Amino acid sequence: QSALTQPASVSGSPGQSITISCTGTSSDVGGYNYVSWYQQHPGKAPKLMIYDVSNRPSGVSNRFSGSKSGNTASLTISGLQAEDEADYYCSSYTSSSTQVFGGGTKLTVL
Amino acid sequence: EVQLVESGGGLVQPGGSLKLSCAASGFTFSGSAMHWVRQASGKGLEWVGRIRSKANSYATAYAASVKGRFTISRDDSKNTAYLQMNSLKTEDTAVYYCICSYGFYFDYWGQGTLVTVSS
Repeated sequence: QSALTQPASVSGSPGQSITISCTGTSSDVGGYNYVSWYQQHPGKAPKLMIYDVSNRPSGVSNRFSGSKSGNTASLTISGLQAEDEADYYCSSYTSSSTQVFGGGTKLTVL
Repeated sequence: EVQLVESGGGLVQPGGSLKLSCAASGFTFSGSAMHWVRQASGKGLEWVGRIRSKANSYATAYAASVKGRFTISRDDSKNTAYLQMNSLKTEDTAVYYCICSYGFYFDYWGQGTLVTVSS
């Protein structure tokens, strides 16, 4: 199972919006509405931000939103804040009944 | 409060074995799936495998990179999950996280335990 494809880095200024893409295949992202997103600050464990494509867990800011079109899922962060600077990973369930992650995207808040 | 505490990490020689434990509290352990995910230093996340609940027949699944070498088990009476790692390779060096899951995503993560495979 190959890793999902994410851009290595994205950046934005405070208050702006950014979008991180996550591209897979019809055997993972495109085949199921089971895409999730995780935020990881340096030295910390990842934190669930979005599940089942577009759902936010309790306590996650509504500035974070998710969507999917075909084999590509997206995470959008609006109203960027300094604390959003982190690594972001997507994950998907697969047709092999396994899970796969994206390579990760480093978000820099300028 | 959900707590997942991994233990058992350390230094092991190539070809050796190690067993990680994950002690859980603060949620219904028996009803959740348990996953292991690893992260090599400076690298991304890699899913290792999972074990489902008793209601789902304790079904296991593994990443191709560890299949046949790693085994995940659980003891619901002790609220503990395990990762038995055999035939370890240098490329297995990573921080190993245990995670509880009620769906097709990773709800809560432990803080991780470092496994170093080196001679």
